[in-house]
Amino acid sequence: SQTIHQWPATLVQPVGSPLSLECTVEGTSNPNLYWYRQAAGRGLQLLFYSVGIGQISSEVPQNLSASRPQDRQFILSSKKLLLSDSGFYLCAWSENNEQFFGPGTRLTVL
Amino acid sequence: KQEVTQIPAALSVPEGENLVLNCSFTDSAIYNLQWFRQDPGKGLTSLLLIQSSQREQTSGRLNASLDKSSGRSTLYIAASQPGDSATYLCAGAINDYKLSFGAGTTVTVRA
Repeated sequence: SQTIHQWPATLVQPVGSPLSLECTVEGTSNPNLYWYRQAAGRGLQLLFYSVGIGQISSEVPQNLSASRPQDRQFILSSKKLLLSDSGFYLCAWSENNEQFFGPGTRLTVL
Repeated sequence: KQEVTQIPAALSVPEGENLVLNCSFTDSAIYNLQWFRQDPGKGLTSLLLIQSSQREQTSGRLNASLDKSSGRSTLYIAASQPGDSATYLCAGAINDYKLSFGAGTTVTVRA
């Protein structure tokens, strides 16, 4: 069966520091991968999606970037965090148009 | 652009009552619609996926309907239990990769 992992589970970072969140999927090959952010009191916002290694599409202009160095690995990064980057970051993969989510990373920028 | 609305934002029912959760969307050319459950501080769990060619899907006590002409989907949960307490999110797809999410309905089932 397929599983999706995200780490770390929680993170507290100062403004201006770099960020790297990792997501890996097991039990499937060549999945579509997604990064979402869920801010307090808001719905989920799609940040990036990827249909293959090295193929990244950005949905909104922002302070973040994404990379897919391996088939089942998706990384969310920032060079300098802003206060507004705080939120709950969710990675997802899809199969037959159904999306499945990871456990999420709670990021607090102070 | 697909906009998804869920009303009400919160709902409280006694145990055993049937739950009816509503979701509306603006673009009738919807690719599919997916219902999720989210527990506090956790990721989303997929409950049901309805393809655009389908009118409903069922899984155990859950049944979801899709009416593209009226732009509505409804999630029914029969005989609610305290363990059903969670936030329920619907999401409409406009293509095979992009979901537009509603803000969710937070359900409390009172024992």
